[in-house]
Amino acid sequence: DAEITQSPRHKITETGRQVTLACHQTWNHNNMFWYRQDLGHGLRLIHYSYGVQDTNKGEVSDGYSVSRSNTEDLPLTLESAASSQTSVYFCASSESSVKTQYFGPGTRLLVL
Amino acid sequence: GDSVTQMEGPVTLSEEAFLTINCTYTATGYPSLFWYVQYPGEGLQLLLKATKADDKGSNKGFEATYRKETTSFHLEKGSVQVSDSAVYFCALSGAGSYQLTFGKGTKLSVIP
Repeated sequence: DAEITQSPRHKITETGRQVTLACHQTWNHNNMFWYRQDLGHGLRLIHYSYGVQDTNKGEVSDGYSVSRSNTEDLPLTLESAASSQTSVYFCASSESSVKTQYFGPGTRLLVL
Repeated sequence: GDSVTQMEGPVTLSEEAFLTINCTYTATGYPSLFWYVQYPGEGLQLLLKATKADDKGSNKGFEATYRKETTSFHLEKGSVQVSDSAVYFCALSGAGSYQLTFGKGTKLSVIP
């Protein structure tokens, strides 16, 4: 069955370190998205991609970057982790012409 | 810009009670509307959706009707079960966009 996976599921890091969260989907979807979930804020869009070599900034992109070198993967990098980036991160994907997004299980990140 | 406002929780109901979670939106044109559900420790799953005015989305006993005149998409279920305990998110995707804008989520607890 097609799926979307995220790794690691849990991560503890220190401020100032670079961290990369992986997202891999086997749906062959062109669209991929990264969100963060924080209490009182719901989900907020960080970055998104509509295809290979395409990346776009979302609502809360400062301090984050993504790259899309193939259809299956959209890794999220925190260039220099900050305590404000402690959150749960969700990756999602959707087909090119369909708005319904499918979500991964999430990565819980703690920045000390 | 686009925005979604949903009733704040938490909401606690007894089993077999009637559920309503209010959701209103602000968007230009005709957005697509969604309800997602998040069970503890998991990612978001699509519960139902509607893509045009007066459409009714339904799934697992839940229903929501796209009301353009009141810019609303309220979630209802006639008889909730303990297994419905979760966080519910209302979301929209604007016309011509594949991004989702989420409400802050409503936590539902159903007690036996």
